[in-house]
This record gives sequence, structure tokens and C-alpha cells, in this order.
Amino acid sequence: AQKITQTQPGMFVQEKEAVTLDCTYDTSDPSYGLFWYKQPSSGEMIFLIYQGSYDQQNATEGRYSLNFQKARKSANLVISASQLGDSAMYFCAMREAYNNAGNMLTFGGGTRLMVKP
Amino acid sequence: EPEVTQTPSHQVTQMGQEVILRCVPISNHLYFYWYRQILGQKVEFLVSFYNNEISEKSEIFDDQFSVERPDGSNFTLKIRSTKLEDSAMYFCARRGGNNSPLHFGNGTRLTVT
Repeated sequence: AQKITQTQPGMFVQEKEAVTLDCTYDTSDPSYGLFWYKQPSSGEMIFLIYQGSYDQQNATEGRYSLNFQKARKSANLVISASQLGDSAMYFCAMREAYNNAGNMLTFGGGTRLMVKP
Repeated sequence: EPEVTQTPSHQVTQMGQEVILRCVPISNHLYFYWYRQILGQKVEFLVSFYNNEISEKSEIFDDQFSVERPDGSNFTLKIRSTKLEDSAMYFCARRGGNNSPLHFGNGTRLTVT
């Protein structure tokens, strides 16, 4: 089974509107962390936001917020007031605490977001 | 400016040749990683390196791959005999504490012809 699933291969959003990028995950580990990264066309991987499995509140970071629904195992990224510079690939990733000696991240397949002017 | 500097940014090599990809973390961290991303596909874990030893490696990281931190600063990924399917973007990353995110370098695009 896929550990991280991003069901939207591509999405359009109008500039200045909000957009939600979906991410569901699969783990039996009670302790884990969820991450979102942005990859613009230039190729670098930019960290956006982090949510720990025990965090009581949804993470927020500027225009980024994470809609964390633990029971549903979803960690959707919400981008408010979209800007043209938000056009990029977005990856959801998970780090499990156990059976993960290397503390590696497992990535989803990504969602390509395109912001229309 | 990225916290991790990778060189070269782009390398073209012929099949069967050895390549060495380099990574220099700006700050002094103990945890390092190599990931790769084949064009248009997901980012895949290769290997994690802690305290100058491999702590975990994926199935992709076979005998053709090796990592070193020879001088305590540079962190290298060596591919001994490149194959066409090794063409990808290779990312070095470093991590701080337990809940810290990975901070990636800008990547090295490897093209095997």
C-alpha cells in the first residue's frame, strides 16, 4: 500500500483564491510527522510546513495551513490568497518514528498547481 | 541561499562511467541524506548517513552506490558504473533535531547518455 497518496496530479486555481491540495497517508505508527514541500520549475525542494501526529492544533505558516484530520489520515495543504509564484509541484511527505532508523521521509507523487492570473 | 550546497548543478556522463556528486552543508549537522527524483516522478529515498555511518538505505541503493564524508565536511554520493536509468535529479539533504524537516540542496541533475 502507498504510504502517501496525493490524488490530484494537477490543479488550477485563480489568483487570489484559496486552494486545497489533498494528502492521505497510511501508517500504524502512533508517532509520525507530516511535511509539505514545494518544488518550483527550477527544481529545488522548499520546505513549507510541518504537522506532528500529537500536535493538538493545525499547523499554520503564513499563507500555508495544514488541515490535519487524524482519524481520516489526511493532511491537506491549504494555500490562501494564491499568487502566481505559487505555481509549482507540491509534495506531501511523512516521517514515521518507529522502524525508521534513518529517519527518512516518504514522499507522495505530488500535485502540480497552476495559478491563473 | 540554501543550507546545503550541491555541486555540480548538472552533470552529463556516459554509461558505465563513475560519477561523484558532492554536498556541502553550511551548518554542522550530523544527519545527511541522499534522495533522487527521476524526471516527472516522486522523490525517492536512497540513503541516510549519521555520525559518519550509513543508518539506512533503500533497495535502490545497491552496490553501485556509495557515500562518504571523507573530510568531515563534504558529503559525497558515488555511482560506480552509471546506467541510463540513473538519470535523475539527486538531492542532498540535512536534518537538525527529531521533528525537524529535511532541508534540501538545489540538486544535481545527472544525465547518463
